[in-house]
Amino acid sequence: KAGVTQTPRYLIKTRGQQVTLSCSPISGHRSVSWYQQTPGQGLQFLFEYFSETQRNKGNFPGRFSGRQFSNSRSEMNVSTLELGDSALYLCASKVDYRSYNEQFFGPGTRLTVL
Amino acid sequence: QQQVKQSPQSLIVQKGGIPIINCAYENTAFDYFPWYQQFPGKGPALLIAIRPDVSEKKEGRFTISFNKSAKQFSLHIMDSQPGDSATYFCAATNSGGSNYKLTFGKGTLLTVNP
Repeated sequence: KAGVTQTPRYLIKTRGQQVTLSCSPISGHRSVSWYQQTPGQGLQFLFEYFSETQRNKGNFPGRFSGRQFSNSRSEMNVSTLELGDSALYLCASKVDYRSYNEQFFGPGTRLTVL
Repeated sequence: QQQVKQSPQSLIVQKGGIPIINCAYENTAFDYFPWYQQFPGKGPALLIAIRPDVSEKKEGRFTISFNKSAKQFSLHIMDSQPGDSATYFCAATNSGGSNYKLTFGKGTLLTVNP
């Protein structure tokens, strides 16, 4: 079974631009979560989607948004990019959000904001 | 508020040594404590996990020790190998609640020298 895939793997943007990252979950997984990973803060939870609805949300500003499609694929968008948004953005999928089950991470998208 | 504190930030050991990574948590509702291993260019992968009803769990060369009264848990890697060089994250969640998001420690970069 194919793992979680994320595109693109690397991205360079400038301040003020916006960016969209994509995540395809493992087949059969309907929950997708997004995390921001930085050296200083580690892994921080952004949000979780299930059945095209946001189920959980972390403490990030409204510039960070996401959506999920009917095939469980998910996108996250960051508008008005800031230098501090430079990070590795990780997507993780799991079967369901309604009970605890293991989540599997993708390789991430490395975003650099200049 | 950081709910899971991880130490040390980095650790260097010789091959065959026993690196120990420590985590402490604050939320007494946490009842599931996984450890993730992340290699460069990859997403984190589940390594081993423990619930507070046991004080120790072993899987191969990896052991988790758990101290519920102190709200601390630690990862020990026996007979460490250069291939164990990676970043290790502890995490915690309330598996019986309505929100199953993982709270991560900030990570420990382990280097095992040949």
